[in-house]
Amino acid sequence: QVQLQESGPGLVKPSETLSLTCTVSGYSISSGYYWGWIRQPPGKGLEWIGTIYHSGNTNYNPSLKSRLTISVDTSKNQFSLKLSSVTAADTAVYYCARDSTTGIDPWGQGTLVTVSS
Amino acid sequence: DIQMTQSPSSLSASIGDRVTITCRASQSISSYLIWYQQKPGKAPKLLIYAASSLQSGVPSRFSGSGSGTDFTLTISSLQPEDFATYYCQQSYSTPRTFGQGTKVEIK
Repeated sequence: QVQLQESGPGLVKPSETLSLTCTVSGYSISSGYYWGWIRQPPGKGLEWIGTIYHSGNTNYNPSLKSRLTISVDTSKNQFSLKLSSVTAADTAVYYCARDSTTGIDPWGQGTLVTVSS
Repeated sequence: DIQMTQSPSSLSASIGDRVTITCRASQSISSYLIWYQQKPGKAPKLLIYAASSLQSGVPSRFSGSGSGTDFTLTISSLQPEDFATYYCQQSYSTPRTFGQGTKVEIK
């Protein structure tokens, strides 16, 4: 059974960099699939952030691309998100997940990141 | 980016009702359409992929149809556990995009 777990700070100051890591268990990232991040501001809808393949190939949402870095560490079976120059608009629940043309599944439980001084 | 538009944004229904939610894409996405169910405080759950294929473990009262730009999610007989928010998503291209959601509430 594939499981994903997000980890990282729950509070980030404005203008700083938001950093999250997703640890995958039950499946080797090196075996395939794209792995990615989705966020959901409180009370709002879902926004796809981007994905990465085990080779390092990435797909980013153009709306975030200038601030976004997604990386993978196959030795730890983890992938990570870095979002720079954050503002209050980046406050959201951040989910990591496995992404394919047949859907985003499974998802991590999500982690709330609040941008505030 | 492909825009996904869901309707209605919310609806009220009773147990046993047939419920239909529609999703329209701004361009043809063939059958690359996914439906999710999300309950408060939980991650979305994949219900249907490829527009009409039921994900393993999902009750058969859920069904999907459509291709091209117009899609439908139907719940044939609404159950108490179905009160949630439903999202469509296109997997035709990146960036993946979601509809704004349809909240199904108890009448």
